[in-house]
Amino acid sequence: DVKVTQSSRYLVKRTGEKVFLECVQDMDHENMFWYRQDPGLGLRLIYFSYDVKMKEKGDIPEGYSVSREKKERFSLILESASTNQTSMYLCASSLLGEGEGGLGYGYTFGSGTRLTVV
Amino acid sequence: ILNVEQSPQSLHVQEGDSTNFTCSFPSSNFYALHWYRWETAKSPEALFVMTLNGDEKKKGRISATLNTKEGYSYLYIKGSQPEDSATYLCAAQEGGADGLTFGKGTHLIIQP
Repeated sequence: DVKVTQSSRYLVKRTGEKVFLECVQDMDHENMFWYRQDPGLGLRLIYFSYDVKMKEKGDIPEGYSVSREKKERFSLILESASTNQTSMYLCASSLLGEGEGGLGYGYTFGSGTRLTVV
Repeated sequence: ILNVEQSPQSLHVQEGDSTNFTCSFPSSNFYALHWYRWETAKSPEALFVMTLNGDEKKKGRISATLNTKEGYSYLYIKGSQPEDSATYLCAAQEGGADGLTFGKGTHLIIQP
């Protein structure tokens, strides 16, 4: 069974701490993504990567950075955590390209990390 | 940033009834439209990925249609069951390597 694994289900961190959220996929997917989910706002894209050492800003990258040193691992970094970064963080991966008949590929999501910054 | 809208925001449906809800998205620079089901305490699960205008996809009792010219997609559930209770997300994609822009979802509750 294909999997995207996020290292922590729940995290509590203090304001100003450096926080690492880890995501590992075992499907040899090229694309990896970090989203956050907040009530009333839906899933919003923070960063994504389509190859090792490549990264692209999503819609809300401020306050975050990412690292992709290996194909299977995509890390989200909060350089100095703030209370407005309290959220549910979801990692996802997908194959690159047009898929069967040019249809594109669906994402496989991890189970999420609920981060609370106090 | 793409503007993807879903309606209604929430929906209560009697078990056995059929239902549908809507996703609208910008018709320019369209690449693909995705539908996901997100059950409480689980990960979002891909239902459909569609790219062609007029496309229709089906998985069991769930089906979806796509109109890329006018920028909308419908998701249909036939004969709703309690296990269909979930939040249904649609997401638009501008390019094959781009991230998805999600709508806020339709929260579906099936009442026995």
